[in-house]
Amino acid sequence: QQPVQSPQAVILREGEDAVINCSSSKALYSVHWYRQKHGEAPVFLMILLKGGEQKGHEKISASFNEKKQQSSLYLTASQLSYSGTYFCGTTVPGNTPLVFGKGTRLSVIA
Amino acid sequence: GAVVSQHPSWVICKSGTSVKIECRSLDFQATTMFWYRQFPKQSLMLMATSNEGSKATYEQGVEKDKFLINHASLTLSTLTVTSAHPEDSSFYICSAPTRGDTQYFGPGTRLTVL
Repeated sequence: QQPVQSPQAVILREGEDAVINCSSSKALYSVHWYRQKHGEAPVFLMILLKGGEQKGHEKISASFNEKKQQSSLYLTASQLSYSGTYFCGTTVPGNTPLVFGKGTRLSVIA
Repeated sequence: GAVVSQHPSWVICKSGTSVKIECRSLDFQATTMFWYRQFPKQSLMLMATSNEGSKATYEQGVEKDKFLINHASLTLSTLTVTSAHPEDSSFYICSAPTRGDTQYFGPGTRLTVL
């Protein structure tokens, strides 16, 4: 089942913050966050496995709620290099493929 | 992080020809690899799961006779697009999972069929 991402697109000025959400109607085993720049493959950002988990560093971090049905990606003090499309992907246990959301297009302008 | 390579990076071919794309895990072994396809401004869609030593598993709507997958070793999976047509033009990306559940993607192959 494809996770639902929101918003679809967001435009920020440098230094502003953004939150991207990823949700599912069922509990997820894991959530993976990727950033993809135009013409390139997705780049892994982080993975969350446990309910209530928070991970990341000061500027880019993510959380996974207790019920494991929603994850949020937090972008703080955005930089021009943060521009791209952000995807969340979900899996079930084992060597299973990722099912991606439709993506959130983030544009950071000067 | 782990490294996955793809070759070629891009390819242009005539309609009706076949194209082979290689996906290699460079610093780890991958018994399973995944092949995705991405059309412009869309998300990545899973095409098939490549399993070392056994047949690939294809997603609904993906023609197994058109998209041939061979997982010959623990570090190499190949995708062959047979009798390619313009509608097969797309960005093809492979990924391989590591022990920690993280999946690393190759750099992708952009296929253009004329």
